[in-house]
Amino acid sequence: EVQLVQSGAEVKKPGESLKISCKGSGYRFTTNWIGWVRQMPGKGLEWMGIIFPSDSDTRYSPSFQGQVTISADKSISTAYLQWSSLEASDTAMYFCALPTGLLGRFWGQGTLVTVSS
Amino acid sequence: QSALTQPASVSGSPGQSITVSCTGTSSDVGGYNLVSWYQQHPGKAPQLMIYDVTYRPSGVSNRFSGSKSGNTASLTISGLQAEDEADYYCSSYTSSSTYVFGTGTKVTVL
Repeated sequence: EVQLVQSGAEVKKPGESLKISCKGSGYRFTTNWIGWVRQMPGKGLEWMGIIFPSDSDTRYSPSFQGQVTISADKSISTAYLQWSSLEASDTAMYFCALPTGLLGRFWGQGTLVTVSS
Repeated sequence: QSALTQPASVSGSPGQSITVSCTGTSSDVGGYNLVSWYQQHPGKAPQLMIYDVTYRPSGVSNRFSGSKSGNTASLTISGLQAEDEADYYCSSYTSSSTYVFGTGTKVTVL
């Protein structure tokens, strides 16, 4: 059974750093693109970027280039989304998901990130 | 790249058919047969309803169908049911080798 299991909710202060994770299982993690999706409160879905774990080829959507870092550790089948300095506007639900074809059935449960002073 | 354009809301009565459009460009929707549609109920993760323009995952009702013409993809829900009330998003692969979502459509069952 394919599963994407994300790390738990986070409450952070502006300026702090953060790294959230998404562990894949039940499928070939290294040879399938995996991505991150942002959903701000009451708003729509936004693809942030995708990564190919086998060689860490990473593609960022223009709005998120330079704002976040997407990485993966293929040895533990885990993808990451990282911020170096959080802002209040980063408050959102973040999902990991497999973007390609039928694998789009599989999404993580979401990680709520709250940034507040 | 800009978000794909969807109508903000579409409504219909039970049993009716509705269509949600998703308009992009030749660099995304029009250039690839890689359009997916997702249903999202409040507080839940999105659920895949259609992939690769026309294909329906097993377990998804055959009341849902997808199509594409030029730069516009469409999701049709036939025999509308109360449980279909949700937000719907299209997604497309792009020429930048990334993906882009649509602006989202709230489907209301009257």
